[in-house]
Amino acid sequence: DAGVIQSPRHEVTEMGQEVTLRCKPISGHDYLFWYRQTMMRGLELLIYFNNNVPIDDSGMPEDRFSAKMPNASFSTLKIQPSEPRDSAVYFCASSSPGRHEQFFGPGTRLTVL
Amino acid sequence: QQQVKQSPQSLIVQKGGISIINCAYENTAFDYFPWYQQFPGKGPALLIAIRPDVSEKKEGRFTISFNKSAKQFSLHIMDSQPGDSATYFCAASPSYSGGGADGLTFGKGTHLIIQP
Repeated sequence: DAGVIQSPRHEVTEMGQEVTLRCKPISGHDYLFWYRQTMMRGLELLIYFNNNVPIDDSGMPEDRFSAKMPNASFSTLKIQPSEPRDSAVYFCASSSPGRHEQFFGPGTRLTVL
Repeated sequence: QQQVKQSPQSLIVQKGGISIINCAYENTAFDYFPWYQQFPGKGPALLIAIRPDVSEKKEGRFTISFNKSAKQFSLHIMDSQPGDSATYFCAASPSYSGGGADGLTFGKGTHLIIQP
């Protein structure tokens, strides 16, 4: 079985540009989570969805960040406009109905110059 | 506000020794406590998890000890091996009556090195 798939794996962009990160959760999983990892702040929850509906977005840093889940097999995290402090590794994770275990993708390393 | 405090930040253990990592939490609504292992360039992977209705859970060389009254839990790695060298994160989350997942609050991580 394929695990959580994220693309791109690496993204380098310039300040002010729009960045879109993509995630395909494990088939059959009904929860999808977006996390951000930095040296200073560690792993932080940004937002999560249940059955494609956003449940908690209190971790989204500011209005420049937005996330969508148009269907059960795809989610996007968008940053517009991007800033150097957004540089981090962004992880997507999913979990199956009634279970706590979250399966993480390989992450997208974002560098904003 | 850091809701899950993890220590130490880094740890060096000799091969065959016991590695111990500690975490403390503040939110009494937390009732699911997993430990994740992360290798460089990879996403975190669940190692072992515990619910507060038990004080200890063991899976192979990995044991979680849980102290609900002190709001502390720890990971013990017995017979530590060089392949265990990784970053370990404790985490916590509440859960709902439906049993589904909730977002995890992570500790800052412990960089573990097992020396041959």
